[in-house]
Amino acid sequence: QSVLTQPPSVSGAPGQRVTISCAGSSSNIGAGYDVHWYQQVPRTAPKLLIYVNNFRPSGVPDRFSGSKSGTSASLAITGLQAEDEADYYCQSYDSSLSCWVFGGGTKLTVL
Amino acid sequence: EVQLVESGGGLVQPGRSLRLSCAASGFTFDDYGMHWVRQAPGKGLEWVSGISWNSGSTGYADSVKGRFTISRDNAKNSLYLQMNSLRPEDTALYHCAKDRYSSSWYTNSHGMDVWGQGTTVTVSS
Repeated sequence: QSVLTQPPSVSGAPGQRVTISCAGSSSNIGAGYDVHWYQQVPRTAPKLLIYVNNFRPSGVPDRFSGSKSGTSASLAITGLQAEDEADYYCQSYDSSLSCWVFGGGTKLTVL
Repeated sequence: EVQLVESGGGLVQPGRSLRLSCAASGFTFDDYGMHWVRQAPGKGLEWVSGISWNSGSTGYADSVKGRFTISRDNAKNSLYLQMNSLRPEDTALYHCAKDRYSSSWYTNSHGMDVWGQGTTVTVSS
């Protein structure tokens, strides 16, 4: 059971908007620690998608955006494309555990 | 080209040891905090360990604390993970990863922006 809780799966049709939630607690996201998001296409290494809650590394399309509020964070993907089909993970630091923690991951299916 | 290449994985019996290596190239290795992240078959990502730029600070997941040791050799642009008392639940693909900005493993992080393809560790009798 992950410290950060994500829905196991989400889906959407091409062109639609989907959001992936990441629920934490007062010892991680709620304590003010930043959230980072990763995209992982099966059998490849994870790719940094969003850092420090809402910043995109160069090369990441602006269709991807992040937000954070209270003890939760969200990743939004607009204008869904077939190539967005992948697993998505949130990450934050947990002060009670004194370590980095990942969400359990969310599988995005593009219908 | 910025690159991380892991090596040292393999099949090992429970209770035995293994040492993973990660060779870095294309960036100033000693400017950044580094991490090991693993992924068990069919499972999600699990942070294993992190180390600051000068080895002055390290961190471990509770699941490996006391059994695994992270280290780095900046002269050789290399990161290591010494794994002792291995258990079947340590079976996973092990990635090394670089922090995007910070020289620490836990403060001022901008996420992990460079990942290796991983090396597979299988713990089984």
